[in-house]
Amino acid sequence: AQTVTQSQPEMSVQEAETVTLSCTYDTSENNYYLFWYKQPPSRQMILVIRQEAYKQQNATENRFSVNFQKAAKSFSLKISDSQLGDTAMYFCAFMKQGGSQGNLIFGKGTKLSVKP
Amino acid sequence: KAGVTQTPRYLIKTRGQQVTLSCSPISGHRSVSWYQQTPGQGLQFLFEYFSETQRNKGNFPGRFSGRQFSNSRSEMNVSTLELGDSALYLCASSSNTGNTGELFFGEGSRLTVL
Repeated sequence: AQTVTQSQPEMSVQEAETVTLSCTYDTSENNYYLFWYKQPPSRQMILVIRQEAYKQQNATENRFSVNFQKAAKSFSLKISDSQLGDTAMYFCAFMKQGGSQGNLIFGKGTKLSVKP
Repeated sequence: KAGVTQTPRYLIKTRGQQVTLSCSPISGHRSVSWYQQTPGQGLQFLFEYFSETQRNKGNFPGRFSGRQFSNSRSEMNVSTLELGDSALYLCASSSNTGNTGELFFGEGSRLTVL
């Protein structure tokens, strides 16, 4: 069975600074997808970034980038130039390739606070 | 395009009662998944429906059930409510094209069991 671990329950960062959220996972699968989802307070959860395991290049979406280390089973999220709107719960998630579209394995989340 | 809509947004029930939650997916999305979110356990997968068929099921007791209608709208039901069922129930839809894993979530239904 796959597991996803986020070891930082809470983090804070000053506006405009950079912060890195950690995620490790355990799987025997070779082909899979990894995700970071963001859940702002009292708002819908949205996809931040996605990484295919077969791609060596780290995914990037504007100020968000990942450091994907397949051998170490590590998948961290870096947020550059943090903004107040980045304040949210961040969830790391795993889905095996060919798996059920709706069945993602989520970590327990990291609560990020961006301070002015 | 309208997003995923969940109703009701908040509800309070007592132990032993039953509850039905509704989810309308994004137009054109045929896959609907349900998750239970609690502070202690995080997000746990309940089940997924596609074209009115349950495609996958998580590790929850039989008190938790669901269904999907021909218009892709989905409902989940919890019978004989327990205090531990208090949670945010999230519905998510996806287009099921390319199996990309991108889910579109609703705002959730917050259930409190007294």
